[in-house]
Amino acid sequence: GAVVSQHPSWVICKSGTSVKIECRSLDFQATTMFWYRQFPKQSLMLMATSNEGSKATYEQGVEKDKFLINHASLTLSTLTVTSAHPEDSSFYICSARGPPGGTGELFFGEGSRLTVL
Amino acid sequence: AQTVTQSQPEMSVQEAETVTLSCTYDTSESDYYLFWYKQPPSRQMILVIRQEAYKQQNATENRFSVNFQKAAKSFSLKISDSQLGDAAMYFCAYSGNNDMRFGAGTRLTVKP
Repeated sequence: GAVVSQHPSWVICKSGTSVKIECRSLDFQATTMFWYRQFPKQSLMLMATSNEGSKATYEQGVEKDKFLINHASLTLSTLTVTSAHPEDSSFYICSARGPPGGTGELFFGEGSRLTVL
Repeated sequence: AQTVTQSQPEMSVQEAETVTLSCTYDTSESDYYLFWYKQPPSRQMILVIRQEAYKQQNATENRFSVNFQKAAKSFSLKISDSQLGDAAMYFCAYSGNNDMRFGAGTRLTVKP
């Protein structure tokens, strides 16, 4: 199946700094990628939909200036948490919709655990 | 907006027995996909089974099968001959034209 790689898998940063998380589709072109946030023992919460070559679409309540999403190529989307604070600590998961004509399945990255001190 | 509801926060099953996880959804779209994903402690999302809404036949994947009731907007997952490795969080998911939405999840425990 299609492979999505996410990096880094975990990161610790100081409050006030920015952190970038990368999401790559390794063997297919992904025009659309999704970013989710998951709190402990909770479900995946959709943060934004990332479309290649255009601005991301953010879900209600998600600060677009806080969570910057860039989808500059068909295989890479990045999420930058700007001026991170402890409440931003969470598990972030990216996913990509499979190639056109496929099953509609989303392929997930391994996730990135962010800890803000 | 589409919503997905899983009303069972936790379920438990004896090894080798059968368990059914419930899921309902709400949508105005006619063409969509439904999925069950498994999330073990590693937190990697693993696809268990998928169902195309236009197909009446229930999907089956080895020990996993679904009961898809389109009119009732119900999509339950049946796990037969449960194994210890089936223990995980299970998420029901809806995928329409734009994005994929997940239910709150059901934590499945398998007792030896």
